[in-house]
Amino acid sequence: QQQVKQSPQSLIVQKGGISIINCAYENTAFDYFPWYQQFPGKGPALLIAIRPDVSEKKEGRFTISFNKSAKQFSLHIMDSQPGDSATYFCAASMKGTSGSRLTFGEGTQLTVNP
Amino acid sequence: SAVISQKPSRDICQRGTSLTIQCQVDSQVTMMFWYRQQPGQSLTLIATANQGSEATYESGFVIDKFPISRPNLTFSTLTVSNMSPEDSSIYLCSALGGADGYTFGSGTRLTVV
Repeated sequence: QQQVKQSPQSLIVQKGGISIINCAYENTAFDYFPWYQQFPGKGPALLIAIRPDVSEKKEGRFTISFNKSAKQFSLHIMDSQPGDSATYFCAASMKGTSGSRLTFGEGTQLTVNP
Repeated sequence: SAVISQKPSRDICQRGTSLTIQCQVDSQVTMMFWYRQQPGQSLTLIATANQGSEATYESGFVIDKFPISRPNLTFSTLTVSNMSPEDSSIYLCSALGGADGYTFGSGTRLTVV
């Protein structure tokens, strides 16, 4: 029942580099696309989110790019830092009581080397 | 954003016993959810906790194994019943409400021996 596919599974970048994580979804009823950051022993924390009426959203070093026609969205982390090393999950949800739950991607383990 | 307190943070339990996990939110929220996460893997939704009515379970999860209560808009419990080693996992509470949308607790790391 996987409706959100995420890649890559793991990613290693050098400090100062750009980290790019991609997700693709199937259900066109999805209208909310968040990215979560999870550190070991902690629950996921919202990093940034986008709705399908915009193609890009930027918050500090983090940018979501959204392609509605391709049903894809991606997270770009600029100037990656060792403190960004964590697991990142994309997710999707849709409005309505029955559809409010989040569907998660498989996750990407990011390692930023100093 | 809502802040979620989840307890216990970890536990080691004997097979055949039950464990109840508590989730307290610092503000009223519209929806609460329970997830399971195997180490290094993604989150799998167990059920949506409905205030004042029976929880809505996802495919593969049943009420007899994972009874859920939600007596009000800020509190929910998940019980893992008749545990086996296969139930060893991280259980996460989540709430929908506030500007940040979905918020997660820090999880309960359960080991069944």
